[in-house]
Amino acid sequence: NAGVTQTPKFQVLKTGQSMTLQCAQDMNHNSMYWYRQDPGMGLRLIYYSASEGTTDKGEVPNGYNVSRLNKREFSLRLESAAPSQTSVYFCASRQGREATEAFFGQGTRLTVV
Amino acid sequence: DAKTTQPNSMESNEEEPVHLPCNHSTISGTDYIHWYRQLPSQGPEYVIHGLTSNVNNRMASLAIAEDRKSSTLILHRATLRDAAVYYCILTRFSGTYKYIFGTGTRLKVLA
Repeated sequence: NAGVTQTPKFQVLKTGQSMTLQCAQDMNHNSMYWYRQDPGMGLRLIYYSASEGTTDKGEVPNGYNVSRLNKREFSLRLESAAPSQTSVYFCASRQGREATEAFFGQGTRLTVV
Repeated sequence: DAKTTQPNSMESNEEEPVHLPCNHSTISGTDYIHWYRQLPSQGPEYVIHGLTSNVNNRMASLAIAEDRKSSTLILHRATLRDAAVYYCILTRFSGTYKYIFGTGTRLKVLA
């Protein structure tokens, strides 16, 4: 039972490069989320998807785009990476209308130089 | 989104109970109180949640004040593995539940 899987685990980008962070969940969850966490800080919500086919902005969406490819997969794209986007990125998923738990991936550590 | 206030850090001795407080004076009637914790170099993990009544599970207990303006996460016997950052989060249904994290409480467990 893999849960929430993020790829890659580590990435170094040069300023201006683009990349896509991948997230997949195998729990048949409706909702998926992308967060970033800077050193010593709490997580900040970038984008979320309440269900397949919908996406919404979170607290810090600027500089990012997302795609809910299907029910399993939710990707985060950086079109032109900046050093300020150096962070650890977490994907999460949860199910349904009940206030049940969210499951988080192990994170992608991104460094932009 | 309603805000929560938590102490920045707390210490506990191993095998003793720990009470982690959270203030949420602007909580609305439909806000659930969720607790997550984040161990070093890991993603957050769910601990417990509640709405109005106290809750118990295998990891912890959640005590909710009668006016719901505060809550306390109780770890009954702290172990070294419980050293983590604990986040108290309010969330309500609006298409889905959003989890807005604050800075949390860093719990240090002393052997």
